[in-house]
Amino acid sequence: NAGVTQTPKFQVLKTGQSMTLQCAQDMNHEYMSWYRQDPGMGLRLIHYSVGAGITDQGEVPNGYNVSRSTTEDFPLRLLSAAPSQTSVYFCASSRGTGGNTEAFFGQGTRLTVV
Amino acid sequence: GQQVMQIPQYQHVQEGEDFTTYCNSSTTLSNIQWYKQRPGGHPVFLIQLVKSGEVKKQKRLTFQFGEAKKNSSLHITATQTTDVGTYFCAGDSGGGNKLTFGTGTQLKVEL
Repeated sequence: NAGVTQTPKFQVLKTGQSMTLQCAQDMNHEYMSWYRQDPGMGLRLIHYSVGAGITDQGEVPNGYNVSRSTTEDFPLRLLSAAPSQTSVYFCASSRGTGGNTEAFFGQGTRLTVV
Repeated sequence: GQQVMQIPQYQHVQEGEDFTTYCNSSTTLSNIQWYKQRPGGHPVFLIQLVKSGEVKKQKRLTFQFGEAKKNSSLHITATQTTDVGTYFCAGDSGGGNKLTFGTGTQLKVEL
């Protein structure tokens, strides 16, 4: 049982490049989310999904796209990387409803845009 | 939109001293969760509070949820070096586990 797996762990991009951060969970969780973490700002929600085929924007969605074709996978796409997107990105999954809805986080992707 | 403020931003304590971090939401919450993140690591769930006025304990950690369900606190009794890390509260105001995280309190414990 791997939990939430993110790849890659580290990435350096040039301004204007595109890339996809991968996230997969094996807990059959309905909810998945992407956050970015910047110093002094906590974790800010980028996009989230309440189930396969359903996604919605979070607090800071500009410059990012998501899709949820399966329950297990929730990739995050950077369309045209900018230095302001240098950050640590975390994917999380949780049960939808019913009791404890703790979020399980992946190990994170440390992205630098130069 | 919903905002969750957390204070203090940093706290240095001597081992054995107590520590408290406070969390305030701009909106009423359906539940609040607390997470701990070790340096270089990812957030790890500590607890979830759901009921107004709820108090939960985990060994030396005491968590409270305010009567109005807009504020919360985490208190650590007799800190240890293993308590080092950043503690985040995360509020869910609309259900669906769409969490808004506080800015976190970084705890450093000195021997």
